[in-house]
Amino acid sequence: GQQVMQIPQYQHVQEGEDFTTYCNSSTTLSNIQWYKQRPGGHPVFLIQLVKSGEVKKQKRLTFQFGEAKKNSSLHITATQTTDVGTYFCAGVNRDDKIIFGKGTRLHILP
Amino acid sequence: KAGVTQTPRYLIKTRGQQVTLSCSPISGHRSVSWYQQTPGQGLQFLFEYFSETQRNKGNFPGRFSGRQFSNSRSEMNVSTLELGDSALYLCASSPVRGITDTQYFGPGTRLTVL
Repeated sequence: GQQVMQIPQYQHVQEGEDFTTYCNSSTTLSNIQWYKQRPGGHPVFLIQLVKSGEVKKQKRLTFQFGEAKKNSSLHITATQTTDVGTYFCAGVNRDDKIIFGKGTRLHILP
Repeated sequence: KAGVTQTPRYLIKTRGQQVTLSCSPISGHRSVSWYQQTPGQGLQFLFEYFSETQRNKGNFPGRFSGRQFSNSRSEMNVSTLELGDSALYLCASSPVRGITDTQYFGPGTRLTVL
């Protein structure tokens, strides 16, 4: 079946360093959504990308959707302690099925 | 606006029992989706309801079912519980379509099956 692979599974960074998580789908996606889940919390919607090659920014966060609409990335510049959490991508395929990546857990070292 | 609410927040059941979980979406939202979250499998889509109709369904057995009421509130039922059903069950509401709209998640119901 279709899979959305997300790497890395864990990432430890020093506060102030950059962070990137990547998602790759086995099939072409209609759109991709990104979520953040704090420890003990629930997923919070960050953004949705729809167009091929789309790039969107939210302050220190940059989201990209690949030209083939099969991969996406989230890049955080100059991480802060408030960035701690697990970041999930969720791809929607042509059959309108939403499939989540396993997430990347971000730890910030002070 | 009040957020998505889920009841109960915690539940302990034994194998073979059934359970019903409830979700109240954000006022005005017509779509409710349900997800199962486990450490091993991550977040998995169960189903989506819109205007009292199931619009989309994930790959879960028939023991998992749901429904939506005219006020958009939704319930999810799991029959003949198995140990592997222990998970955090999340519902999310969106204005129209969960897969293309912003989804707002509730706090979840943590189900433990003994």
